[in-house]
Amino acid sequence: GENVEQHPSTLSVQEGDSAVIKCTYSDSASNYFPWYKQELGKRPQLIIDIRSNVGEKKDQRIAVTLNKTAKHFSLHITETQPEDSAVYFCAAGGYSTLTFGKGTMLLVSP
Amino acid sequence: DTAVSQTPKYLVTQMGNDKSIKCEQNLGHDTMYWYKQDSKKFLKIMFSYNNKELIINETVPNRFSPKSPDKAHLNLHINSLELGDSAVYFCASSPDGANYGYTFGSGTRLTVV
Repeated sequence: GENVEQHPSTLSVQEGDSAVIKCTYSDSASNYFPWYKQELGKRPQLIIDIRSNVGEKKDQRIAVTLNKTAKHFSLHITETQPEDSAVYFCAAGGYSTLTFGKGTMLLVSP
Repeated sequence: DTAVSQTPKYLVTQMGNDKSIKCEQNLGHDTMYWYKQDSKKFLKIMFSYNNKELIINETVPNRFSPKSPDKAHLNLHINSLELGDSAVYFCASSPDGANYGYTFGSGTRLTVV
């Protein structure tokens, strides 16, 4: 089955800095890579996704890159704000279920 | 209207009891899931249902049983609850398998005492 590794497990940045979270996956058949944000006590919510036929996607301050050859993808957040503080999950899938990484706790200090 | 709704939000129960968690989606999605999130925040797939047919059943104890009366509902029944079952359980749905993002329910925090 698919295996998704996510790093780092925690990330602390100052407000205004950039944050990068990286994931690798094992199954070359995976073709869909979403990212979820989970605030404390809330449900995971989809913030951006990318498909295997695209190398990069951007939505305002967040962007995702995908390298299919190396089987890794990354989330980039620019100009971080305190409200970006949350746990971020990457995931990989292609058919029946998504496999999630173990999450990154992002802390943005004012 | 809430897209994916779960009840109850909190559930405290004693070891050995049997309990159910209900999930309903009004998005018209074909696939529904149950995920378990442990204290370390890891999201682990438990079950997946597509048009009322179980398509994935990970290494979950048979004390856990999903029940789907129709494609808009996927309930989770747990027999003989154990301390290790304490976790947050999330229901989710997607238009069609893992090719689209999931919409999660608000979660059910189960505490077994």
